[in-house]
Amino acid sequence: NAGVTQTPKFRVLKTGQSMTLLCAQDMNHEYMYWYRQDPGMGLRLIHYSVGEGTTAKGEVPDGYNVSRLKKQNFLLGLESAAPSQTSVYFCASRDGPPGYNEQFFGPGTRLTVL
Amino acid sequence: RKEVEQDPGPFNVPEGATVAFNCTYSNSASQSFFWYRQDCRKEPKLLMSVYSSGNEDGRFTAQLNRASQYISLLIRDSKLSDSATYLCVVMARNTGFQKLVFGTGTRLLVSP
Repeated sequence: NAGVTQTPKFRVLKTGQSMTLLCAQDMNHEYMYWYRQDPGMGLRLIHYSVGEGTTAKGEVPDGYNVSRLKKQNFLLGLESAAPSQTSVYFCASRDGPPGYNEQFFGPGTRLTVL
Repeated sequence: RKEVEQDPGPFNVPEGATVAFNCTYSNSASQSFFWYRQDCRKEPKLLMSVYSSGNEDGRFTAQLNRASQYISLLIRDSKLSDSATYLCVVMARNTGFQKLVFGTGTRLLVSP
């Protein structure tokens, strides 16, 4: 199993450009997440999904959109990139309830917005 | 106030040393607690869950004090390979959804 994969690994954008980050998992997990990690801020939840066709806002959703058309894929879109969106983006997935199931992370996407 | 607070370090220790990290959380309704490990420029990975009775996994011991809202991680006989950032993670229920809240991490450097 590949686990959680992310595409691309690195990207440089100019302000105002758009892009889509792809997350794929082969573990048949119900829940998927997008986080951003910035120095001194810890991981912050952008959007999440509790199943195919569902999405919800996390704590820092502004400037991002997501879609979960297939259970194994969770897409994060930046419609008009801003320098404040320079960050490392991590996708994660885990099984749903009952109880807590380990959350697995992808390797990350390093995004720079100039 | 941050929901989960950790000393950022770095903690510089020699091989073989014992080192302890602490973490405090503000949400008294927090349900589950974890330590994640993150190597430089890599993704976080679960190190261990933290149980109320305390638990041990090899050289690693985790403790939880719900009354003080305090979590700790003890690493005995430090190895060079233990050098990483250790993230304290708390799970709380937010409008029916179990949300993980991450601390900013404590960096550990183990030297020969």
